[in-house]
Amino acid sequence: QLQLQESGPGLVKPSETLSLTCTVSGGSISSGSYYWGWIRQPPGKGLEWIGSIHYSGSTYYNPSLRSRVTISVDTSKNQVSLKVSSVTAADTAVYYCARRYYDTSRSQRYYFDYWGQGMLVTVSS
Amino acid sequence: DIVMTQSPDSLAVSLGERATINCKSSQSVLYGSSNKNYLAWYQQKPGQPPKLLIYWASTRESGVPDRFSGSGSGTDFTLTISSLQAEDVAVYYCQQYYGISTFGQGTKVEIK
Repeated sequence: QLQLQESGPGLVKPSETLSLTCTVSGGSISSGSYYWGWIRQPPGKGLEWIGSIHYSGSTYYNPSLRSRVTISVDTSKNQVSLKVSSVTAADTAVYYCARRYYDTSRSQRYYFDYWGQGMLVTVSS
Repeated sequence: DIVMTQSPDSLAVSLGERATINCKSSQSVLYGSSNKNYLAWYQQKPGQPPKLLIYWASTRESGVPDRFSGSGSGTDFTLTISSLQAEDVAVYYCQQYYGISTFGQGTKVEIK
């Protein structure tokens, strides 16, 4: 059974960089049929897609966050990482890692079929 | 960006009754060459991550009870729970993946 687990600091100071890691178990991150994405959810609010990465290193970001976000992959560790720079209180959210189905024949990314449990990151001094 | 608008924001339904959630996209999510609607539905229970229920607007994910069904095309979509069970209390989200992925604001389903 595929499992995704987010980890990292739960508290980040304003203006600093938020860093999270998603460790995938029960399957290989190097499958060409998937992207690995990050989605966040502010407390009591809806879902916002942050970005996705393929094991090849191909990345796609939400334009609204692109200038502050970096997503990377480490296939040797079966991990995906997220960095969000210059954080403010508005970046306080539960951050989810999720697998996204990728149609290689059409080069299109679709729905999210596996999700991690999520990690609450609070931005506060 | 494609804006997804769900209605209602919340609804209360009696056990065993039908629950209907609507999702409207600001532009069509029907991909012409495949004739597929790039829309998914998720269920999120308190303290849990979202769970994929439906994709391609009407294809049920493996293991999802058949009381959940999706319909619609173009810009207007519906998630129906045919006979509400206690374990269906949750927030439901639609997601389009035609363009940059966006989600609806969520619809909270409760027991009346």
